[in-house]
Amino acid sequence: EVQLEESGGGLVKPGGSLRLSCVASGFTFNDYSMNWVRQAPGKGLEWVASIFSSSNYIYYADSIRGRFFISTDDAKNSLYLQMYSLTAEDTAVYYCARDSEGSYQMDYWGQGTLVTVSS
Amino acid sequence: SYELTQPPSVSVSPGQTARITCSGDALPKQYAYWYQQKPGQAPVVVIYKDSERPSGIPERFSGSSSGTTVTLTISGVQAEDEADYYCQSADSRGRYKVFGGGTRLTVL
Repeated sequence: EVQLEESGGGLVKPGGSLRLSCVASGFTFNDYSMNWVRQAPGKGLEWVASIFSSSNYIYYADSIRGRFFISTDDAKNSLYLQMYSLTAEDTAVYYCARDSEGSYQMDYWGQGTLVTVSS
Repeated sequence: SYELTQPPSVSVSPGQTARITCSGDALPKQYAYWYQQKPGQAPVVVIYKDSERPSGIPERFSGSSSGTTVTLTISGVQAEDEADYYCQSADSRGRYKVFGGGTRLTVL
């Protein structure tokens, strides 16, 4: 059974940093592309970043480029999102999601981890 | 940046047909995917590659594509279908994913 479990969310002050983690199980992690998607309270889904096989390709949304960095550790079946210079607009539930093989469909999602940026 | 446009809300009575549209310039080149999200839950795919239905998704969910618009159709809407629905696709070069703003389906 495919499972994705995020962790690392919490309360952080404006200008602060945070690292999110997502541990994957039930599939061969390095065979799939992975994503971070966020959802601000009461708002819609926003794609944040994707990392393709073997980290050869990494893409970021304009809203976070230069502040957030996606990475993987295949040995630990883990996906990460390092976030810097956080603002209140970054307050959201952050989901990790797996791409379906050969498509841009995100077929499995974690339950999300809440990041709150507030003084 | 690339955008997908959805209506904010659609309302239908039980048993009627709900249609939710999603427009974007790259949709003729890139497949669209539809997600259902209920409060407090992660999104679930209900349609992939414009019109394919994953196993376990009821047959009343269908998808279609015409030019720069894709449509999610729910025939014989049930109370349990009340949720937020998001279309998702990629830019023409397949580098950036994008979600529509979401449509809240209300079952009257």
